[in-house]
Amino acid sequence: QKEVEQDPGPLSVPEGAIVSLNCTYSNSAFQYFMWYRQYSRKGPELLMYTYSSGNKEDGRFTAQVDKSSKYISLFIRDSQPSDSATYLCAIGEYGNKLVFGAGTILRVKS
Amino acid sequence: EAQVTQNPRYLITVTGKKLTVTCSQNMNHEYMSWYRQDPGLGLRQIYYSMNVEVTDKGDVPEGYKVSRKEKRNFPLILESPSPNQTSLYFCASSLGGSGGNEQFFGPGTRLTVL
Repeated sequence: QKEVEQDPGPLSVPEGAIVSLNCTYSNSAFQYFMWYRQYSRKGPELLMYTYSSGNKEDGRFTAQVDKSSKYISLFIRDSQPSDSATYLCAIGEYGNKLVFGAGTILRVKS
Repeated sequence: EAQVTQNPRYLITVTGKKLTVTCSQNMNHEYMSWYRQDPGLGLRQIYYSMNVEVTDKGDVPEGYKVSRKEKRNFPLILESPSPNQTSLYFCASSLGGSGGNEQFFGPGTRLTVL
């Protein structure tokens, strides 16, 4: 079993839809949770970063963490074609090591 | 501009020909790391460095070497590349320790080994 599981998609939605991206993890020692966005031919860029269970909002993006279920989600409201990218969850223990999900490909159709 | 740079961006080589991919960051970050990205496998850590002269293996270190002689640079060395090292490589850095775990990535190096 992988430490971090992520549905690879692709996920295709119409413009304006609410998108839900999810990851599960197995190691209860994981302390912090990140979401990265990666456009084609580019390096991953950090979108959201949280330590605790609950929700964290930043504009159209909401990161949700449920430590009891070992489940994290990224919600994108009012999705735009420019949101089309691969989304990577990354989870880490104290000490900088990150374990990445395989990434979910998102396509937002105009 | 704060950034992580990698060179070259694209490289085609042949089996056994030593190569080095350079990585440099201008953010005074202590922690640097190399990843490879393959379809369906996501990002896997090759080597990382907590500070100058401190390096350690990640999850897939076989066939790779690194060095950290200066804080800003963290080159990745393939002494005898093989076709299974064809991949997309990313360098990343972060403040490290209690300073922060957010990793900032370079633009990537696409390596093909024939």
